[in-house]
Amino acid sequence: LAKTTQPISMDSYEGQEVNITCSHNNIATNDYITWYQQFPSQGPRFIIQGYKTKVTNEVASLFIPADRKSSTLSLPRVSLSDTAVYYCLVHTGGFKTIFGAGTRLFVKA
Amino acid sequence: EAQVTQNPRYLITVTGKKLTVTCSQNMNHEYMSWYRQDPGLGLRQIYYSMNVEVTDKGDVPEGYKVSRKEKRNFPLILESPSPNQTSLYFCASSSPLRTGDNEQFFGPGTRLTVL
Repeated sequence: LAKTTQPISMDSYEGQEVNITCSHNNIATNDYITWYQQFPSQGPRFIIQGYKTKVTNEVASLFIPADRKSSTLSLPRVSLSDTAVYYCLVHTGGFKTIFGAGTRLFVKA
Repeated sequence: EAQVTQNPRYLITVTGKKLTVTCSQNMNHEYMSWYRQDPGLGLRQIYYSMNVEVTDKGDVPEGYKVSRKEKRNFPLILESPSPNQTSLYFCASSSPLRTGDNEQFFGPGTRLTVL
């Protein structure tokens, strides 16, 4: 399983766009990239998943360069309620799963 | 409502007293998994199951047992709990083979304290 590296924490202000980058240098050909959000004392919640290029849904965008050795989660116009921990995962088929340490995002008013 | 349920939500017990944390999902998912979360260590996978009667170890299986006799249930068993198993436990399920993605649905968590 590919190991992921993310910044430990980030600060932002309401209304700003936040980009969190994840490094996964040894990603395998069949690996997908998945991001989760977790609030204190709650289970992680799926945000977005992608394989290459760009994926967008109603809450976020995921940018994956051609070499796939990194990915960037983009949260448009964050609000206070986006304060959470964000995890990047790289794995195949969802069997054995390794969560990294995650990025603690703090959104300020 | 599609969901993963865990019971109990909170449990305080003593060393050596066997306990079971139940997990149930109503989404007909093949895949189920248990994680523990500790401060500074993130989420670590304990066991997972690809389908009925098929289970495998995650990263931290020592001290735990699981069973998958029915598709919807995946109980976590601590035969002889120890204080180092004090943690927040999450159960999750997904259907990676059917949907092609890995969206895991997590339960609300079980906070376990072993004295």
